[in-house]
Amino acid sequence: GAGVSQSPRYKVAKRGQDVALRCDPISGHVSLFWYQQALGQGPEFLTYFQNEAQLDKSGLPSDRFFAERPEGSVSTLKIQRTQQEDSAVYLCASSLGRSGLAKNIQYFGAGTRLSVL
Amino acid sequence: RKEVEQDPGPFNVPEGATVAFNCTYSNSASQSFFWYRQDCRKEPKLLMSVYSSGNEDGRFTAQLNRASQYISLLIRDSKLSDSATYLCVGSSGTYKYIFGTGTRLKVLA
Repeated sequence: GAGVSQSPRYKVAKRGQDVALRCDPISGHVSLFWYQQALGQGPEFLTYFQNEAQLDKSGLPSDRFFAERPEGSVSTLKIQRTQQEDSAVYLCASSLGRSGLAKNIQYFGAGTRLSVL
Repeated sequence: RKEVEQDPGPFNVPEGATVAFNCTYSNSASQSFFWYRQDCRKEPKLLMSVYSSGNEDGRFTAQLNRASQYISLLIRDSKLSDSATYLCVGSSGTYKYIFGTGTRLKVLA
């Protein structure tokens, strides 16, 4: 389909393992976002890319979290030395990113459910 | 205090009922507002953008009150398929979304 694609859908990691989560945005979308959603909560902003530039990483909870989008398309969120508190759903969203309300609407992928044991 | 606040519910309503959700925001610089719908274990999907003048889409009406800093969502003639979590979103810039915790709605047969 033409939507935002995320993989894997589910990831189980042992505490201390490194994980990499992939996001494939809608073709032509300039802006890409990562969110973390804990159970029973709304999504919390992690980081924002405009093309390949990471313009805002203020929401990354620690230096164990790292995101990249080297060619301005696919993005990877990496979590090093995972901890139990990292267990959550990681959502990726993309938008056209041009000025104007409608163009900034964010479209979400189905997310990666990370469980750290 | 969270920047965007919602009553988590759950709201249990009979089919055909009218139900309203409110959402308050604390950042007066917030410019854009949205309602997203999220089904269990699914991604959030845009339900409606919220315009200053209010807007309606079928059974759904969204209102913005800047003076009191809240937005509302009204659902008329509730259907079983409306059962979901409704997420309120505020955005103060061109990109950053701040989500509320979501309000759970269950429509009962």
